[in-house]
Amino acid sequence: NAGVMQNPRHLVRRRGQEARLRCSPMKGHSHVYWYRQLPEEGLKFMVYLQKENIIDESGMPKERFSAEFPKEGPSILRIQQVVRGDSAAYFCASSPFGGWGGYTFGSGTRLTVV
Amino acid sequence: DQQVKQNSPSLSVQEGRISILNCDYTNSMFDYFLWYKKYPAEGPTFLISISSIKDKNEDGRFTVFLNKSAKHLSLHIVPSQPGDSAVYFCAASDSQGAQKLVFGQGTRLTINP
Repeated sequence: NAGVMQNPRHLVRRRGQEARLRCSPMKGHSHVYWYRQLPEEGLKFMVYLQKENIIDESGMPKERFSAEFPKEGPSILRIQQVVRGDSAAYFCASSPFGGWGGYTFGSGTRLTVV
Repeated sequence: DQQVKQNSPSLSVQEGRISILNCDYTNSMFDYFLWYKKYPAEGPTFLISISSIKDKNEDGRFTVFLNKSAKHLSLHIVPSQPGDSAVYFCAASDSQGAQKLVFGQGTRLTINP
């Protein structure tokens, strides 16, 4: 029973390029959450999705960021026209039900913008 | 606005002694609290949680204490072991936004042999 799989583990993008981060939840989990960790800070909530639906995107920056969780395939966090301030570790978590933080986290994608 | 604060960036403890990690929160709507442990290059792993209807929860070497009036919680690890060396995050949730967690900045715990 594989855990939450995130890829790539490391991603380097030049300013202005697009970054696509993928998250495959644990088997049987239909709830996906994305968090971002800036250097020397805690994790900050970005978005909560169920299959084909965005439930809560209150933590997503208004521009350049989008997320999806299609019926088939992994959840994707997309960052368009990346800037240096987007450099961070992005963690995905999944759970079999919503609520009470019963999450399992993936190992994260470390995005570096040069 | 930092709603969950861990004021000690780092803590060093002798092996076998007690480690006490502290966490303060400001949002009185929080009613569920969790501790996560994180090793470098890995995701956080769940350690222990507590609901606001309790003031203590124990799981093996780990005990979490909650003081609602002070809006303070702590994690006790007894006895501390070298494998406990990691960054520990406190997190909180409320019934309304139950799907998301608010994390503290983390405390790096080092257990010395």
